[in-house]
Amino acid sequence: QKEVEQNSGPLSVPEGAIASLNCTYSDRVSQSFFWYRQYSGKSPELIMSIYSNGDKEDGRFTAQLNKASQYVSLLIRDSQPSDSATYLCAVSSSGTASKLTFGTGTRLQVTL
Amino acid sequence: DTGVSQDPRHKITKRGQNVTFRCDPISEHNRLYWYRQTLGQGPEFLTYFQNEAQLEKSRLLSDRFSAERPKGSFSTLEIQRTEQGDSAMYLCASSNTPSETQYFGPGTRLLVL
Repeated sequence: QKEVEQNSGPLSVPEGAIASLNCTYSDRVSQSFFWYRQYSGKSPELIMSIYSNGDKEDGRFTAQLNKASQYVSLLIRDSQPSDSATYLCAVSSSGTASKLTFGTGTRLQVTL
Repeated sequence: DTGVSQDPRHKITKRGQNVTFRCDPISEHNRLYWYRQTLGQGPEFLTYFQNEAQLEKSRLLSDRFSAERPKGSFSTLEIQRTEQGDSAMYLCASSNTPSETQYFGPGTRLLVL
């Protein structure tokens, strides 16, 4: 079983719609959770971090964390074509030097 | 505040050659990480430094790989006797305690022929 799982997609949403990206993780001691955006051929760019159960909002982005279900999600409101990219979920566990364990990423396509 | 920088951005080499990559972290960041990413996969952890001390290495890091951070600032990653399977994007990231947020550099794309 992979440590961090994401649906590889592609997830296709029309412009202006809400994109919902999901991630599950297997290590119950995971403490910190991150969403990175990666454009083709580029390096990961931090979008959101979340540490506590519940929702965290930053502009058009909302991260949701449920530690009991070992589930973290990212909602993108008013999706734009420029949001088309691969979204990587990353998890770190305290006491493990904070190294990140990544999922394989979900490719998002925002269509006109 | 300049971001993480990596050099070179691209490297093409022949199998069996040695290559060295450099990473300059964000100024005053005390933690520096190396990851490797292949097509269609997420980045995989290779090794981690806190200041000049290399505190963890992945089992992915074979004996052909070595990393240093001699003065706690920039870091180098060397691959000896490269193999075609080493072809990947090598990513460097940095963070500053107590934050766990890691910021990535642009990466070095390695192609081994």
